[in-house]
Amino acid sequence: QVQLKESGPGLVQPSQTLSLTCTVSGLSLTSNSVSWIRQPPGKGLEWMGVIWSNGGTDYNSAIKSRLSISRDTSKSQVFLKMNSLQTEDTAMYFCAGRMGFDYWGQGVMVTVSS
Amino acid sequence: DIQMTQSPSSMSASLGDRVTITCQASQDIGNNLIWFQQKPGKSPRPMIYYATNLANGVPSRFSGSRSGSDYSLTISSLESEDMADYHCLQYKQYPLTFGSGTKLEIK
Repeated sequence: QVQLKESGPGLVQPSQTLSLTCTVSGLSLTSNSVSWIRQPPGKGLEWMGVIWSNGGTDYNSAIKSRLSISRDTSKSQVFLKMNSLQTEDTAMYFCAGRMGFDYWGQGVMVTVSS
Repeated sequence: DIQMTQSPSSMSASLGDRVTITCQASQDIGNNLIWFQQKPGKSPRPMIYYATNLANGVPSRFSGSRSGSDYSLTISSLESEDMADYHCLQYKQYPLTFGSGTKLEIK
């Protein structure tokens, strides 16, 4: 059974760095990609980036300068780091496994506020 | 970046109605499109892959089609459990881009 679970702080101060973890079970990170997607309250979905099975990454050009995705295959975890957070980064953050986005975590709500 | 223009942004329909939601791609995406269903407070669920292929476990009343740069999701006979938001995603080119979403309500 494949499971993904996001974790991280619920509240981040403006200008600070967001660090999220996606813990994956039942799915090999060396054979599958994991993407990060976010959704501001009441709005649509935004693809943020992906880490491929070979460890390579691709990012949304709109946030590329602030975003980093990495992983620890020994712990089956994928990490998202995004700096210089602003209030517009308030959103539900999801990780999703495989190219077809077959598996999703439940999401973690991140609020950017002082 | 490829823009996905999704319409309508919201709609209301009666049980048993035929419902169609459309995404128009700004560039050729082949059939590299996924339709997702998202119920309130839940994660998105893939419904249709490669524009026309039903995902496992998805009821046969759902279907996907393409006409030129327009991609459509159709529900042949609306049921109450279909009340949800629907999103399209193109995966032809990076960065991947979603449509703006359609909120489907039951009259």
